[in-house]
Amino acid sequence: SQTIHQWPATLVQPVGSPLSLECTVEGTSNPNLYWYRQAAGRGLQLLFYSVGIGQISSEVPQNLSASRPQDRQFILSSKKLLLSDSGFYLCAWSVGNKNIQYFGAGTRLSVL
Amino acid sequence: GNSVTQMEGPVTLSEEAFLTINCTYTATGYPSLFWYVQYPGEGLQLLLKATKADDKGSNKGFEATYRKETTSFHLEKGSVQVSDSAVYFCALSDMEYGNKLVFGAGTILRVKS
Repeated sequence: SQTIHQWPATLVQPVGSPLSLECTVEGTSNPNLYWYRQAAGRGLQLLFYSVGIGQISSEVPQNLSASRPQDRQFILSSKKLLLSDSGFYLCAWSVGNKNIQYFGAGTRLSVL
Repeated sequence: GNSVTQMEGPVTLSEEAFLTINCTYTATGYPSLFWYVQYPGEGLQLLLKATKADDKGSNKGFEATYRKETTSFHLEKGSVQVSDSAVYFCALSDMEYGNKLVFGAGTILRVKS
């Protein structure tokens, strides 16, 4: 069966520090991968999605970047965190043109 | 562009009460509609879906009917339990936009015993 892993579960980082959040999917090949952010009290905003290795689409301009070095690995990064980067980050995957997405448990990031 | 509007919460109910969470959408094509649920401290789980007009999605006692004429997909449950306390997200995906999900803001549901 397919599983998705995100880590770390929680992270507290100072302003100006770098960020790397990792997401991996098991049990499927060539998934579509997504990064969402959920700010406190708000809905989910799609940040990036990827349909294949090295293929990244950015949905909103921001301080973050994403990379997909392997088929089932999706990384969210920043060189210098801002206070406004705080939130709950969710990774998700889907297969082919199927429109159901499956979510990881999320990473809660606090930038202080 | 596509958008989803949900009723604002929090919604607070007593156990065994009837639940309705309203959701309306705007889409240029023929979207699929979803309800996702997020339990405290966890990621999102798909609760139910409907892919065309008049479809009814159901799961765990929850139901929602795809109403094209009113562009709505309201979530209902006849008798809620404390364990249903969570955040509920309405969402749509449209093939014209690569099947990316567009979410509503989420509605917090609190059920008291």
